[in-house]
Order: sequence, then C-alpha cells, then structure tokens
Amino acid sequence: KQEVTQIPAALSVPEGENLVLNCSFTDSAIYNLQWFRQDPGKGLTSLLLIQSSQREQTSGRLNASLDKSSGRSTLYIAASQPGDSATYLCAVKAYAGGTSYGKLTFGQGTILTVHP
Amino acid sequence: DTAVSQTPKYLVTQMGNDKSIKCEQNLGHDTMYWYKQDSKKFLKIMFSYNNKELIINETVPNRFSPKSPDKAHLNLHINSLELGDSAVYFCASSQDLWGRGGNTIYFGEGSWLTVV
Repeated sequence: KQEVTQIPAALSVPEGENLVLNCSFTDSAIYNLQWFRQDPGKGLTSLLLIQSSQREQTSGRLNASLDKSSGRSTLYIAASQPGDSATYLCAVKAYAGGTSYGKLTFGQGTILTVHP
Repeated sequence: DTAVSQTPKYLVTQMGNDKSIKCEQNLGHDTMYWYKQDSKKFLKIMFSYNNKELIINETVPNRFSPKSPDKAHLNLHINSLELGDSAVYFCASSQDLWGRGGNTIYFGEGSWLTVV
C-alpha cells in the first residue's frame, strides 16, 4: 500500500529565503509525482508534474526533483514571497493494476508561511 | 471560465438527511474523481470514473453513490448522513486514467459539508 509522507508539517520563513519541502513515498512503482498548492478555502492547483522517467521539472521559482529509486521528491522554492504562503501537497499516481489504477495518493501537506 | 466546478460550496445539514453534490468539468476530460479531505487535511480518493464507467471505489460506505450521467458530470449522492461525513469533498478531472506521464489533474474548489 502506497504511503506518502511530507516533511516538515509546517514551515515559517522570512521573505526572500530559499526553501525545500520534502516528500517521500513507499512504493517506487509510480506513473508520476505531482506537487500541488492549496490556499485556504480553495481547491488544489497543480504546480509541477514529474513523469516517472524524469528527474526534475522547473516552473519559474519552483523546481521539483524526483528520485524514484529512493522514493523521494523535493520542491525547491527560490526567493520566497508572502504570496507563496499556502499548503503544499505532493501526490503520487499509482501504476496500472487492480483497484489502484490511476489512483493518486496524497501526503498530508506542508503548511508554508512566508512573512514579510 | 471555471474548468471544474462543483455545487454547493457550503452545505450544512442534519444527521439522517440525504444530500447531493454536483460536479461539472468543461475540459473535455474522460476521467473524473471524488476526493475527501478530512479534518486532518488528508486527501483520499473515493471514486473515479472513466467515460462514465466506475473504475475506483475506494472502500467507501455504500451510503455514498456517485452518478455520472455523461463524461462531463460526476455527482455524489450521500444517504443517511452521519456526523463523520463532515469534510471537504473535492471533485477533479484528468484527460484520462492512464496518462502515462503527463496527465495533470484539475481540482474543483471543494464542497464544505457539515453534518449537525
């Protein structure tokens, strides 16, 4: 059974800092890994999707890496801003097979606060 | 123009009632999902449908019955509501279920259900 863990559970940093959010998963047989952002009272917004064959993806100040063999991914946020404050969730998409077909398993999230 | 929309956004109801949450996507996707986010913020899949066919039913009580009248709609009906059903329910969609690699999932903004 796939389990996804995110560390730290919460993070508070001053504006301008570079920071790293961690995600680990127990079953390396994944299709892809996705990082999401959730703002209070809102749905989830996809930030980056890394295919199982890829090592990293970049979008603006965000960089996500994937090490499938060790079951780890990191989300790097450069030059953090107060507007980055949100909950960040990582999710892995199951490989084909049985009732897990296409299933996304989420971590519990990291609550990020960037203060001015 | 909202990609995945769900209604109602807020719902307060008494134990024992029956209620429905509606979801529509205008992305032309084949696959739709219902996720539940509990008080601890864990997101867990409940159901997925692909081309109106049930693919994943993740050990959800049979009081929960999804209905997909067409590819663009996936509604969630809940019978005999219980206190423990209080949660945020998210609808989502993706191009297809298999999405080998690049298959971003899009979420609605959530429906906050409170059972009193």
